[in-house]
This record gives sequence, structure tokens and C-alpha cells, in this order.
Amino acid sequence: EPEVTQTPSHQVTQMGQEVILRCVPISNHLYFYWYRQILGQKVEFLVSFYNNEISEKSEIFDDQFSVERPDGSNFTLKIRSTKLEDSAMYFCATTGRGNIKEKLFFGSGTQLSVL
Amino acid sequence: KNEVEQSPQNLTAQEGEFITINCSYSVGISALHWLQQHPGGGIVSLFMLSSGKKKHGRLIATINIQEKHSSLHITASHPRDSAVYICAVTNTGNQFYFGTGTSLTVIP
Repeated sequence: EPEVTQTPSHQVTQMGQEVILRCVPISNHLYFYWYRQILGQKVEFLVSFYNNEISEKSEIFDDQFSVERPDGSNFTLKIRSTKLEDSAMYFCATTGRGNIKEKLFFGSGTQLSVL
Repeated sequence: KNEVEQSPQNLTAQEGEFITINCSYSVGISALHWLQQHPGGGIVSLFMLSSGKKKHGRLIATINIQEKHSSLHITASHPRDSAVYICAVTNTGNQFYFGTGTSLTVIP
């Protein structure tokens, strides 16, 4: 089965540093999502992305966060100046026809630790 | 305020038992997703529902749009079904709301 690939699997950074989390979607997928899960808490929606634009974002997705698809393959989440509370598992998910038409395909996640 | 409520939060079953996990939501939705999160943390999508019922192997998912309720059933449960099951809903604007998950343990 095709896979969504996330790199790195673990990222440790100092507070205030910028991090970029990368996701390689399944090749013909057009809809991309980022979620996060703080340890012991529920999964939270961050942002959805389609046609090179953000289509929806949550209150968590403030000015410190940005997404882009710089080269037509990778889909990245950038946190400009990390805070301790950004420590979480970050999941990328993609679909071909949108989340109301078919299932999501998840990457295995990036564990971000901010020290 | 939780837009999505799941019950039970924790569930322990004997191998072979029939299991039901419930999800209620308070927002208007276009679709509901059932997800499975393994102990290692990875998430797999089980179903996407907008109406009716879907079946895949021993898993059955139903949704009642009028009552804003969905159920996930597992027939003939097996220890490998042990995981956290998460209900998530989405509106037409691609906004997602997640439940807190149901932790299932199936004992041999």
C-alpha cells in the first residue's frame, strides 16, 4: 500500500529555534493535513492545504506556524520560534479527493521535543 | 467544550467478545472518520463515513446523521485489536474535531 513519509522521526531543538517538519505525500494526492498530539492528550487539527493554499486552520495554527509545498513533492510544516508547549507528535495526512470523500493516509509522525 | 465525545474511555474485553465504541458529536459535519492508533503511536484510518454503514473484515461502522451519533463495532475481538480508537469529524471547510479516544485492551 502507498505510504506517506515523514522526516525526521524525532527532532530535538532548543526553545526559540526554527524547525521544519517534512512530509512526502502519496504521489497523486492533492489534499494535505497537519495534526499534532501532545503526550497523553487527544489529536488536534492544525491545518489543511489544497491547491497550494491553506483551506482551513485551527486556533493553534498561529503566526509561528507556516506550511508550504516548495518543490511539488514535499509538504512542510515550519515552526518559526519553538516554544516548550510545541513539544508533541506531529502527524501529516493526505488524501486524493478530500477528507469527505475518502479515508486519510497518515504518516508515522515526527516527535518534536523542545528543550 | 468537546465537539466530539467518545465512550467508553477505556474498555477491556475477552478475546472473541463483540465490542462497541460510541461517538457523539455536536457540530454539523460532512464526514466522520474512525481512526486506530497503535501503541507505538502510528495512526491508521479505518473508515470514512458520511451516511449509513460500512464494513471491513471484522469491523463495522455506522452513523446516524439525525442523531449525530456513530458506532464502531468489532466482532470476534482479538488481542491484536488492542489500540486506541479515535473518532474525528470534519465539516465542509476541512476543519477537524477529534474525540479523546477509546483505549481498547483485548485479553487472550
